[in-house]
Amino acid sequence: GAGVSQTPSNKVTEKGKYVELRCDPISGHTALYWYRQSLGQGPEFLIYFQGTGAADDSGLPNDRFFAVRPEGSVSTLKIQRTERGDSAVYLCASSPIAGANYGYTFGSGTRLTVV
Amino acid sequence: DQQVKQNSPSLSVQEGRISILNCDYTNSMFDYFLWYKKYPAEGPTFLISISSIKDKNEDGRFTVFLNKSAKHLSLHIVPSQPGDSAVYFCAASAGGSGGGADGLTFGKGTHLIIQP
Repeated sequence: GAGVSQTPSNKVTEKGKYVELRCDPISGHTALYWYRQSLGQGPEFLIYFQGTGAADDSGLPNDRFFAVRPEGSVSTLKIQRTERGDSAVYLCASSPIAGANYGYTFGSGTRLTVV
Repeated sequence: DQQVKQNSPSLSVQEGRISILNCDYTNSMFDYFLWYKKYPAEGPTFLISISSIKDKNEDGRFTVFLNKSAKHLSLHIVPSQPGDSAVYFCAASAGGSGGGADGLTFGKGTHLIIQP
């Protein structure tokens, strides 16, 4: 596709449930990033992939959060035992090559609501 | 501890005038700075960037100024247009302009409102 695609656009889940958020980057982009934006805040870095490997996962808040990118294209962010504090917009971005100066293209995000 | 600060949550400017959005940072390791624009229900869109080796970068109506000694940058939009109404995020990277892979650190954003 022409842009970064994120599905679903909205997800409502009950506290304690497991959720998966999907990101389909721009074709050919090797770098993929996940960010989380809480209400009234700027996006917060979670994890970055270069190809299939997680090059930097220092932003993941705890071990309930996990992300994969098995074939170096689509990525899935997985959240176990969801908590109300996980409610946020989860943004995915991709870049042709890793590095801020190459410019990221963000998707529209998945709005996760934990009730 | 916020490393990138945008102290004005909102800014209202008359159409045709100059909009100035400000950003301060605390981390001396930041060496690349970006501005993003965000409309509701959309992801942030890259606007303009500047490397720490420069003090100014211009692209059409948008100019970013960097004052390293003050750890301050600003985005100037002139003339302001109604379509500029959006939330503007300042972001910084410590990865280096050579292509470092660090995630970006964002400010909280400034909501710019252009009044007709």
